[in-house]
Amino acid sequence: AQSVSQHNHHVILSEAASLELGCNYSYGGTVNLFWYVQYPGQHLQLLLKYFSGDPLVKGIKGFEAEFIKSKFSFNLRKPSVQWSDTAEYFCAVNAFTGGGNKLTFGTGTQLKVEL
Amino acid sequence: NAGVTQTPKFQVLKTGQSMTLQCAQDMNHNSMYWYRQDPGMGLRLIYYSASEGTTDKGEVPNGYNVSRLNKREFSLRLESAAPSQTSVYFCASSPRGNEQFFGPGTRLTVL
Repeated sequence: AQSVSQHNHHVILSEAASLELGCNYSYGGTVNLFWYVQYPGQHLQLLLKYFSGDPLVKGIKGFEAEFIKSKFSFNLRKPSVQWSDTAEYFCAVNAFTGGGNKLTFGTGTQLKVEL
Repeated sequence: NAGVTQTPKFQVLKTGQSMTLQCAQDMNHNSMYWYRQDPGMGLRLIYYSASEGTTDKGEVPNGYNVSRLNKREFSLRLESAAPSQTSVYFCASSPRGNEQFFGPGTRLTVL
């Protein structure tokens, strides 16, 4: 079974700082990769996704992520964070196995951006 | 489009009581999912339905049952609630089993 690791559980940044959140997965076959964001008290929303093609994908609100197949990684980046980016961020992987199309989520990274 | 809707938003149960969480989607998606979210554990899949008429267990199915009533609706039932089932429950749907769209969640407390 696949697994997803998010190394940073809590991150605190000042506004305008750069952000990089790590995500590694443990499946060697074809994968689709996602980053979701959950703002306080809200449901999960899709930030960006990678299916194939250019390994650098751009999402909403200035976020981007890079798929590095050799490192089994899909790290999320933003050059300059804002206070409104305070949220929990989840990496998720859909591995193409015989068990159907299911997402496996990481445990999440809680980001707090201070003014 | 309302997207994915869930009822109720909040619920308090006593140990041993039963209840059904309702989920509906109006996006004509084939696949639907139930997750629970607990602090520090991310989202864990309880059950999913790849298409109307099929359901399969996820990572944490014990203590739950599901019904895919039709293409729109997927309900989650707790037959005898336990304090360990205190959690936030999210329903999601997907057009092709990849990108998932989430409902607003149900916050359940079992006393």
